[in-house]
Amino acid sequence: DAKTTQPPSMDCAEGRAANLPCNHSTISGNEYVYWYRQIHSQGPQYIIHGLKNNETNEMASLIITEDRKSSTLILPHATLRDTAVYYCIVRVAHNTDKLIFGTGTRLQVFP
Amino acid sequence: SQTIHQWPATLVQPVGSPLSLECTVEGTSNPNLYWYRQAAGRGLQLLFYSVGIGQISSEVPQNLSASRPQDRQFILSSKKLLLSDSGFYLCAWSVGYGVPYEQYFGPGTRLTVT
Repeated sequence: DAKTTQPPSMDCAEGRAANLPCNHSTISGNEYVYWYRQIHSQGPQYIIHGLKNNETNEMASLIITEDRKSSTLILPHATLRDTAVYYCIVRVAHNTDKLIFGTGTRLQVFP
Repeated sequence: SQTIHQWPATLVQPVGSPLSLECTVEGTSNPNLYWYRQAAGRGLQLLFYSVGIGQISSEVPQNLSASRPQDRQFILSSKKLLLSDSGFYLCAWSVGYGVPYEQYFGPGTRLTVT
């Protein structure tokens, strides 16, 4: 699986948009971009995934650059409950493919 | 909807004692099941995965073992715990068909070996 690079930490004011970047310059054509988050002392939570096109769901939006070498997870209106470590993972979608979690970005949402 | 259960939530065990952690999934059939471990301040490490009853694949050789006696039950065991077995153990499931296969995690078991 391709490696990803994320900033170690970010701050965001409550109610503002949180934009979390991820670099994956060695991504292959058949690899998807996944985002998970882990709130302290809980299991990771799936957020969103994409291949080429931008994606949006009830939790977030995923913007993937045209060359697919980077992406941004957007939480449109961050709340205190969004404080967590956010992981960007690139992998081939295979039914037994393990998720390789890096160190992620620790997002702190403040009042 | 699907739910995943793990128990116990926390566990404190002495070195050399046995271990049994259980994970069950509801609301789906023939899921792929996974055991991960997260050491303090570290990322997740895949320990075992299973694509069906009695089918276990090990990712990391160690003193842990896994079993899948039923379709939606996954058990992590050890005969003798080591201090290095301390960590946050997470069970996850994914559907066994379709693309892509996002994994859904349980609440985890925090194990402290003393």
